[in-house]
Amino acid sequence: GENVEQHPSTLSVQEGDSAVIKCTYSDSASNYFPWYKQELGKRPQLIIDIRSNVGEKKDQRIAVTLNKTAKHFSLHITETQPEDSAVYFCAANRQAGTALIFGKGTTLSVSS
Amino acid sequence: GAVVSQHPSRVICKSGTSVKIECRSLDFQATTMFWYRQFPKKSLMLMATSNEGSKATYEQGVEKDKFLINHASLTLSTLTVTSAHPEDSSFYICSAPAPGLAGVGSYNEQFFGPGTRLTVL
Repeated sequence: GENVEQHPSTLSVQEGDSAVIKCTYSDSASNYFPWYKQELGKRPQLIIDIRSNVGEKKDQRIAVTLNKTAKHFSLHITETQPEDSAVYFCAANRQAGTALIFGKGTTLSVSS
Repeated sequence: GAVVSQHPSRVICKSGTSVKIECRSLDFQATTMFWYRQFPKKSLMLMATSNEGSKATYEQGVEKDKFLINHASLTLSTLTVTSAHPEDSSFYICSAPAPGLAGVGSYNEQFFGPGTRLTVL
């Protein structure tokens, strides 16, 4: 089955700096790669996603890149703000309607 | 649109009792729902896939007799933790993919319930 690895497990940056979180996946048939932000005790919140037929997607300060050959995808947050502090999870699934397999999460701390 | 609810949001029970958690898709039909468990400071771990009209599919290591799943209708899946023990204390979250909702999200997008915090004393 699918296995998703995520690094780093913790990331501390200064306000205004960029943050990058990386994930690798094992199943070459996976075709959907979402990123979630989760605050303590809350449900995961989708912040951006990318499909396997796209190499990069951007939404304001957030971007995701996908390298299918290397089977890795990354989350880039620019101009970080203290409210970006949270746990971020990457995930992957093989086809529409199937379960997501999550990475272990990255705790991002943005200090002002 | 595309809202998933869970009930209860929080439950405390005594060891040995059973607890039922409901997951509902409020404005769409879901033939499939997923149940995840999340321990503190850990990731979401898939427990099982709930299928409307057929048996659930459990992930390796998840006891099907302990975690009973019933997908009673196209909008409701229930997870019953039987004979709960303190080690079952966790955050349980369900999700449902929402195909066919143009403008709401991509076909692959999944919508998560708010989660249920289970504490077994």
